[in-house]
Amino acid sequence: AQSVTQLGSHVSVSEGALVLLRCNYSSSVPPYLFWYVQYPNQGLQLLLKYTSAATLVKGINGFEAEFKKSETSFHLTKPSAHMSDAAEYFCAVRGGQGGKLIFGQGTELSVKP
Amino acid sequence: ETGVTQSPTHLIKTRGQQVTLRCSSQSGHNTVSWYQQALGQGPQFIFQYYREEENGRGNFPPRFSGLQFPNYSSELNVNALELDDSALYLCASSLGGRDQYEQYFGPGTRLTVT
Repeated sequence: AQSVTQLGSHVSVSEGALVLLRCNYSSSVPPYLFWYVQYPNQGLQLLLKYTSAATLVKGINGFEAEFKKSETSFHLTKPSAHMSDAAEYFCAVRGGQGGKLIFGQGTELSVKP
Repeated sequence: ETGVTQSPTHLIKTRGQQVTLRCSSQSGHNTVSWYQQALGQGPQFIFQYYREEENGRGNFPPRFSGLQFPNYSSELNVNALELDDSALYLCASSLGGRDQYEQYFGPGTRLTVT
């Protein structure tokens, strides 16, 4: 069975600082992994996805994530945080019949001026 | 290209009532998945419909039921509402099939049960 663990329910960074959001997965098969962002009172927007091609995945808004099989990790990074990055971020793994998504608990990112 | 839309935006119901939530999938998509997102938590998979047939179900009781129409829009029905059903209900559409990877989410319906 697949599962996802996000380390840290809340991360706070200063504007211009590095953003690092941690995600570890468990999967009995080669995983497909995703990062989604959710702004207040909105649905989820796909940031990036890993589907067994390149291990370093680039997404929208300057985010990227690196798949590390040895560490079962898929951490999300951005070199320089903007105020507009403040949101909830969810890591997800595709699992089971039909490709349902299994989400982590989420990490709330705050950006200080 | 029209994205995923959901209606209504907000809904308030009383315990024991029934509710129907609606979702229109993105143009060209034939698969719809429903998720429940309780406050402060990640979305939980309810079920998925592919070409009008249920194609997987999460750990939700039978009072959660669904339907997909020939135009691939979908409904989520919840009977005998309980207080714990209060949540944001998200619909996601995708292009079904073995290689489908991405699910595109709608804005959600906020259900409050009192």
